[in-house]
Amino acid sequence: GAVVSQHPSWVICKSGTSVKIECRSLDFQATTMFWYRQFPKQSLMLMATSNEGSKATYEQGVEKDKFLINHASLTLSTLTVTSAHPEDSSFYICSARDVKRLGTGELFFGEGSRLTVL
Amino acid sequence: RKEVEQDPGPFNVPEGATVAFNCTYSNSASQSFFWYRQDCRKEPKLLMSVYSSGNEDGRFTAQLNRASQYISLLIRDSKLSDSATYLCVVTLGDYKLSFGAGTTVTVRA
Repeated sequence: GAVVSQHPSWVICKSGTSVKIECRSLDFQATTMFWYRQFPKQSLMLMATSNEGSKATYEQGVEKDKFLINHASLTLSTLTVTSAHPEDSSFYICSARDVKRLGTGELFFGEGSRLTVL
Repeated sequence: RKEVEQDPGPFNVPEGATVAFNCTYSNSASQSFFWYRQDCRKEPKLLMSVYSSGNEDGRFTAQLNRASQYISLLIRDSKLSDSATYLCVVTLGDYKLSFGAGTTVTVRA
């Protein structure tokens, strides 16, 4: 099956620093990837839709200047949490859809990145 | 109104029991429907697609009711390993997806 790799799995950083999370589709191409955030015992919240070759589309309430998204190629999207603060500590997950299988609607998820900001 | 709504539960059931829950969606033009399973601190994984005629996969049965705009998931002969959060996903077009908040199922020995 299709594989999405997310890196790093865990990251601990100091308040005020920036953290970059990578999401790679390993065996398929994805013109669109999705970034989610999940706080403990809460549901997945879509943050933004990452579009290859164009600007990301952010959900209401998500600061685009704080959460920088770059979809550099058909297999890589990155999320950078800038000037991270403790309230940004969360589980960040990406997902992607295979451009050749859009009709199935299936999403492939990365393993998630757990960010802890001290 | 949220695009996709689920009963958050939790549904606490004994092993061997049957548990069922629904997910309602607001957009009648929604095209594809899925159930994903998410274990604690893990990423969601596809459990099954939901087809118009309904479909089974082992102990899991999914149904779609377009007239009433809901999908359902039924788990028969529950196992301890079925304890998880079940997410309903609805698609509209190629890139518009909506998630439910998830239904938590806890199967006890």
